This record gives sequence, C-alpha cells and structure tokens, in this order.
Amino acid sequence: GAVVSQHPSWVICKSGTSVKIECRSLDFQATTMFWYRQFPKQSLMLMATSNEGSKATYEQGVEKDKFLINHASLTLSTLTVTSAHPEDSSFYICSAWPDSGPQYFGPGTRLLVL
Amino acid sequence: AQSVTQLGSHVSVSEGALVLLRCNYSSSVPPYLFWYVQYPNQGLQLLLKYTSAATLVKGINGFEAEFKKSETSFHLTKPSAHMSDAAEYFCAVSDLNNAGNMLTFGGGTRLMVKP
Repeated sequence: GAVVSQHPSWVICKSGTSVKIECRSLDFQATTMFWYRQFPKQSLMLMATSNEGSKATYEQGVEKDKFLINHASLTLSTLTVTSAHPEDSSFYICSAWPDSGPQYFGPGTRLLVL
Repeated sequence: AQSVTQLGSHVSVSEGALVLLRCNYSSSVPPYLFWYVQYPNQGLQLLLKYTSAATLVKGINGFEAEFKKSETSFHLTKPSAHMSDAAEYFCAVSDLNNAGNMLTFGGGTRLMVKP
C-alpha cells in the first residue's frame, strides 16, 4: 500500500518549452502533496505544498508563475515547469500525505533542459 | 523553525561493520523524526520514524535509531553493513503540531560499503 507514482520518470526538452510532471497516489487519497527539487549530490528542497482544491503554497524563492502546480483531485497533482531553461534541470520528487503518518514519496522525475 | 544537521556527508564502512549515521535536530516543539534512504536515480523510501512513542525505533533492513532528547539526536545504526546498504540517507524533522506534516531534510549522508 501507499504507492506514489510519477510520470514521466525522465524528460529531455528544449529550452523554452513547458514540461508537465504528474504525481499520483495510487491506493490512497492525499489532500496534501508536496513537490521537492533535488540538485546533484544535494538534499531535497521543498518547492511547494499542494492542497486539493486550493492554490498551492510556495516556498520562499520559488517562482509560482514558473512552477505551476495543480491539485485537481485527491490522487493527482501536477507540476508544470513553464519556459524551461537549462538551470531548471534537476530531479523533481513529489510526495503525498494521507492526512496522518509519514509522507510517501514518488520515484522522482529527472528533467534535462537542453 | 526546524533544522537538521547530518554530520559527515560521506561515511565508508567495511561489509559486516557497524553503521552509524549521525543526525542532530533543532525544533522549538516536539518533533517527529524520520530517516529515509535513497538509491541512485530513485525517490525516497522511509526507513523508520519516531513519533513520541518508544525512543528506540526499529525500521526496515535491520536499521534502528534512538531518539535522545537531551542530545537532540536521532542517530541511525545497523550492527552489520551489507553491500546493498550503499545509498544516500536523509534525516528529516517535522513539527508534531503541523497538520501538513512538512518535512525539513538534512544534507544527506552517502554510505559506502567496502567488500
């Protein structure tokens, strides 16, 4: 139980394009989902907290217009990197929180912007 | 505000040796504490968690951690390292009173196991 999936697992895109990453909780409902970013050999940095049916809460320094988050259902949150640039290349990890207990993490999405 | 410090970004042990990964936290309220493991190109897997019950917490794969309030520590140990334990380990803290269960991560410790 408590499986979280991410799609795609890998994406390579040209600079200036937009990329959408999906995060799904497969066997539980998650009112809250989190999006993290991890640079090589570094820790996870929280980007935003996604709440179903309401606007996401962004951490300081994260551009909300660049990283669009939509949490339209209790099992799906999406992160769209708009007008991606090479500096956006990173490992993006989502987690889902079933209102109690720990967060459950997805396998991550590696984004490479050329 | 909460913070987590993991002493030693890299730890190397021989197969069969004791594993000790250090974690110290700072929290103004009673904390939840977690250890996660990350294998290359994968997400995080929960090893164990402390949630104010027993101070010695047993997790998966033979790992355990002890919550010591006086030392504000939550070190991770395993009596005998296996090659398969080589991975990145993250300690994290969360606020017991935080309904969103937001996590603050330490910088991570890469465990290397020598044959």
